[in-house]
Amino acid sequence: KQEVTQIPAALSVPEGENLVLNCSFTDSAIYNLQWFRQDPGKGLTSLLLIQSSQREQTSGRLNASLDKSSGRSTLYIAASQPGDSATYLCAVNIASGSRLTFGEGTQLTVNP
Amino acid sequence: GAVVSQHPSWVICKSGTSVKIECRSLDFQATTMFWYRQFPKQSLMLMATSNEGSKATYEQGVEKDKFLINHASLTLSTLTVTSAHPEDSSFYICSARDMLAGVIQETQYFGPGTRLLVL
Repeated sequence: KQEVTQIPAALSVPEGENLVLNCSFTDSAIYNLQWFRQDPGKGLTSLLLIQSSQREQTSGRLNASLDKSSGRSTLYIAASQPGDSATYLCAVNIASGSRLTFGEGTQLTVNP
Repeated sequence: GAVVSQHPSWVICKSGTSVKIECRSLDFQATTMFWYRQFPKQSLMLMATSNEGSKATYEQGVEKDKFLINHASLTLSTLTVTSAHPEDSSFYICSARDMLAGVIQETQYFGPGTRLLVL
C-alpha cells in the first residue's frame, strides 16, 4: 500500500527566505507526483506535476524535484512571501488515470 | 484553465436529514470525478471514484448506501449524504480530470469544497 509522508508538518519562516518542503513515498513505482496548495477552508490548486520520467519541474519561484528510486520529492520555494502562506500537499499517482494518494501536508507560514 | 465548482459551499443540517452536494466541471467534460473528505488538520481521503454513466467505485470502509454518488452527465456529479449524523461533519471536496482528444489528462482540478455541519 502506497503511503506518502510530508516533513515538516509545519514551518514558519521570515519573508524572503528560501525554503524546502519534503515528501516521501513508500512505493517507488509511481506514474507521476503532484504538488498542491490549499488555503484555509478552500479547495486545492495544482502547482506542479512531475512525470515519473522527469527529475524536476519549475514554475516561477517554485521548483519541484523527483528522485523516484529513493521515493522522495522536494518543493523549493525561492524568496518566500507572506502570500505563500498555505498548506502544501504532495500526492502520488501509481498509474495513468488512477487515484491520488495524498500526504498529510506541510502548513507554511511566511512572516512579514 | 479548467474550473470545477461545488454547491453549496456551506451547509448546516439537522441529524437524520439528507444533504446533496453538486460538483460541476464548468468548461470541460469529465468522465471521471473523485470525491474526497477532509477532517481538520488532516489530509484528503478518497471516498469514491465517480464514473459518468456507471456506478461509482467506493474506497474500503466507505458506505455506498450512506454516500450516494450519481454521475449522470459529463459535467455533473452529485454526492448525497443520507441520514447525516454529527460524525459526517467534514469538508467534502470533488475533483475532475479533463479530456483532450479523447485522452484523460493527468492533472486533477479540484472544487472549492463544501463544508458540512450536522447538528
